Amino acid sequence: DQQVKQNSPSLSVQEGRISILNCDYTNSMFDYFLWYKKYPAEGPTFLISISSIKDKNEDGRFTVFLNKSAKHLSLHIVPSQPGDSAVYFCAASGNNAGNMLTFGGGTRLMVKP
Amino acid sequence: KAGVTQTPRYLIKTRGQQVTLSCSPISGHRSVSWYQQTPGQGLQFLFEYFSETQRNKGNFPGRFSGRQFSNSRSEMNVSTLELGDSALYLCASREWRGTYEQYFGPGTRLTVT
Repeated sequence: DQQVKQNSPSLSVQEGRISILNCDYTNSMFDYFLWYKKYPAEGPTFLISISSIKDKNEDGRFTVFLNKSAKHLSLHIVPSQPGDSAVYFCAASGNNAGNMLTFGGGTRLMVKP
Repeated sequence: KAGVTQTPRYLIKTRGQQVTLSCSPISGHRSVSWYQQTPGQGLQFLFEYFSETQRNKGNFPGRFSGRQFSNSRSEMNVSTLELGDSALYLCASREWRGTYEQYFGPGTRLTVT
């Protein structure tokens, strides 16, 4: 059973437009959520995180939104740049969920110039 | 600060052999976690070490083991290798178990033939 799901395996957007990546979770024990970006042959790079006590966190071009009642989070990238092209993973964690990261399957983002 | 380093970066082994992978965390980070990434299963948690003790373990057979040294460096070992063990093995560190953000190394690409 996948506790964290990213239902879109890929997403293509035009440079300068908004990219929206989505993630759903099922385990109500998760109370901390993270987004990672991964290039081929490299380890994931931490982007941004959000605690369940918040519904929004912003860092430059990246904003993460959390809807706890829907068990849904999303990552917005504005404006999108070609260098943002990578695989994006959402991950969930929590003290009552083992404290390790549980990852979604990833979404491949392609930003076209 | 230097990032997480992993050695070796690439490894080819034969079925039945054993392998040891090494990870040096970010200076000052005391928790080290290991993850396996495969095309079919995605990113999965193997185990976490903190203060030289295994604190958490994922759903992997006993052939997968690890240890942590007093300087926080960690090794993981896979015995009796199977073809399905071919994967990217990622090490991640964090300051302590109370923080959620984990920082990943570049990974070790293991190929079992």
